[in-house]
Amino acid sequence: AQKITQTQPGMFVQEKEAVTLDCTYDTSDQSYGLFWYKQPSSGEMIFLIYQGSYDEQNATEGRYSLNFQKARKSANLVISASQLGDSAMYFCAMRGRPNDYKLSFGAGTTVTVRA
Amino acid sequence: DAGVIQSPRHEVTEMGQEVTLRCKPISGHNSLFWYRQTMMRGLELLIYFNNNVPIDDSGMPEDRFSAKMPNASFSTLKIQPSEPRDSAVYFCASSFDRGNPGNTIYFGEGSWLTVV
Repeated sequence: AQKITQTQPGMFVQEKEAVTLDCTYDTSDQSYGLFWYKQPSSGEMIFLIYQGSYDEQNATEGRYSLNFQKARKSANLVISASQLGDSAMYFCAMRGRPNDYKLSFGAGTTVTVRA
Repeated sequence: DAGVIQSPRHEVTEMGQEVTLRCKPISGHNSLFWYRQTMMRGLELLIYFNNNVPIDDSGMPEDRFSAKMPNASFSTLKIQPSEPRDSAVYFCASSFDRGNPGNTIYFGEGSWLTVV
């Protein structure tokens, strides 16, 4: 069974600063994918970034980067140069071994960006 | 490219009524998911289709819930009869799965259901 843990229920960040959202996971699978999704107050789930378990480089997508530490089973999301529009709930998620269809989600972290 | 399209976006219905939620997955995707999101339970997978065939419906709460996927471009989730505890956001999502855990699942905007 896979388990995703996000220990920060809520965070405040000043505009233009960077923020790190923590995510740890537990799996016995050797091959897996880690994802981050953003859910603004309007409710939609927006895919942000993906990291494969065999990827040697940390994933980056614009202002989003994923700090992947495989031995520690952590996949923290870093948002650089925060903007007011970054205020949202952020979910860490995981898919396991090949053909494991299920996306398991953490509880989420609410980020509020202050002007 | 069009994303996953869900309808209705919002539905308010009375207890006992039938509710039908509709979904059009991204063209070319072969996997479709229905998720439910509540404050108490977070995001739960209700059912998973692959190539239009239901593979796992173990998350469907009870017999009042049913889901169909008659073709690759359309799926429905039906609740009959609806109850107040069914109030939630229902997401449809799709992906193109090639046996790689890195295949991204894309979500629709959700259907916000309120049963009064």
